[in-house]
Amino acid sequence: QVQLQESGPGLVKPSQTLSLTCTVSGGSISSGGYYWSWIRQHPGKGLEWIGYIYYSGSTYYNPSLKSRVTISVDTSKNQFSLKLSSVTAADTAVYYCARNKGGYLDYWGQGTLVTVSS
Amino acid sequence: EIVLTQSPGTLSLSPGERATLSCRASQSVSSSYLAWYQQKPGQAPRLLIYGASSRATGIPDRFSGSGSGTDFTLTISRLEPEDFAVYYCQQYGSSPGLTFGGGTKVEIK
Repeated sequence: QVQLQESGPGLVKPSQTLSLTCTVSGGSISSGGYYWSWIRQHPGKGLEWIGYIYYSGSTYYNPSLKSRVTISVDTSKNQFSLKLSSVTAADTAVYYCARNKGGYLDYWGQGTLVTVSS
Repeated sequence: EIVLTQSPGTLSLSPGERATLSCRASQSVSSSYLAWYQQKPGQAPRLLIYGASSRATGIPDRFSGSGSGTDFTLTISRLEPEDFAVYYCQQYGSSPGLTFGGGTKVEIK
């Protein structure tokens, strides 16, 4: 059973960089066949795809966030990470990591709330 | 970018009733790349349907998906108490990326 777990600071100051890591267990990122995604959900709102990465390092980002987003992978640790720069209060959200299998998201982490505030 | 519009925004029904949720795309979507998720308060979304009509592992057969092109439907044949939640459709587009609909809340009448 594949499991994903997000980790990182729950509070980030405005203009700083939000950094989160997703640790995958029960399966290897480097086995291929899947993309590894980040999705966020603003409080009380819908879901927004941020981007995804393949084990090789190929990345695809939401055009609306592309200038501020970097997703990376560390296959030795079976982790992938999200960095979102120059954050504002509008980036306050629950951030989820998920496995992307053929265009749909079959396994999700539990989510982590990140608040942007001074 | 493909925009997904879900309707209605809220559906008020009683347990045992049938729920019909709509997802309309601004451009044609490949059926292979249309999915539905259920989300309960405080939880991550759960995959229900992929490929427009295939149930994910462990999903009861009261959930079914249908549709093609720009119009897709999620049907819950008989609502159980645990089915009251928010439902999202999602597509995977030709330009790299995923987009989600705005969601339909199924609430107890």
